[in-house]
Amino acid sequence: AQKVTQAQTEISVVEKEDVTLDCVYETRDTTYYLFWYKQPPSGELVFLIRRNSFDEQNEISGRYSWNFQKSTSSFNFTITASQVVDSAVYFCALSEASRGRRALTFGSGTKLQVQP
Amino acid sequence: DTGVSQNPRHKITKRGQNVTFRCDPISEHNRLYWYRQTLGQGPEFLTYFQNEAQLEKSRLLSDRFSAERPKGSFSTLEIQRTEQGDSAMYLCASSAGESVEGYTFGSGTRLTVV
Repeated sequence: AQKVTQAQTEISVVEKEDVTLDCVYETRDTTYYLFWYKQPPSGELVFLIRRNSFDEQNEISGRYSWNFQKSTSSFNFTITASQVVDSAVYFCALSEASRGRRALTFGSGTKLQVQP
Repeated sequence: DTGVSQNPRHKITKRGQNVTFRCDPISEHNRLYWYRQTLGQGPEFLTYFQNEAQLEKSRLLSDRFSAERPKGSFSTLEIQRTEQGDSAMYLCASSAGESVEGYTFGSGTRLTVV
């Protein structure tokens, strides 16, 4: 069965520090998608990125970067030069082709607190 | 169209009462999803609609839960005979097929059963 593990429950950093959020997944599918979402205190889940299982190229978007490694079933997320506005809960999620990509399986989230 | 809208934002109800939540997806999105999120956990999939057809239901969705999307537009999620364990955030999401940007989530309805 599919599973997403975010072992870091809570991380606290000081502004301008770099921080990496870990995500490990399990799936039997060879075709799947991985996501990261941000959930600020307002509650709405904000889409950050989607990667498919055939594309292991790392991606950078501004201060955000993602490292996808199929060999270790990991899809880690790094924030460079963190800011107070980055404080939120971050979720890693998986969707599988065998389920028609209908449902997302989420990890339990990592709460990031960025102190000024 | 500013996104996925959910009403109400908050609902407090007494145990045993019925509650109904509404979700208005992005108008051109044909897929609609309901998720439940309890405190400190990630969202858990409940059910999925493609247009008006309910195509998948999680085993989390007990007989007390029912969801509809009568005209393929808005959707309702009803919980009958609420229990304290139903207290959670209920999130709705929509997508236009296999959107490259994934799903768009609403802000959720927070249910508290007292």
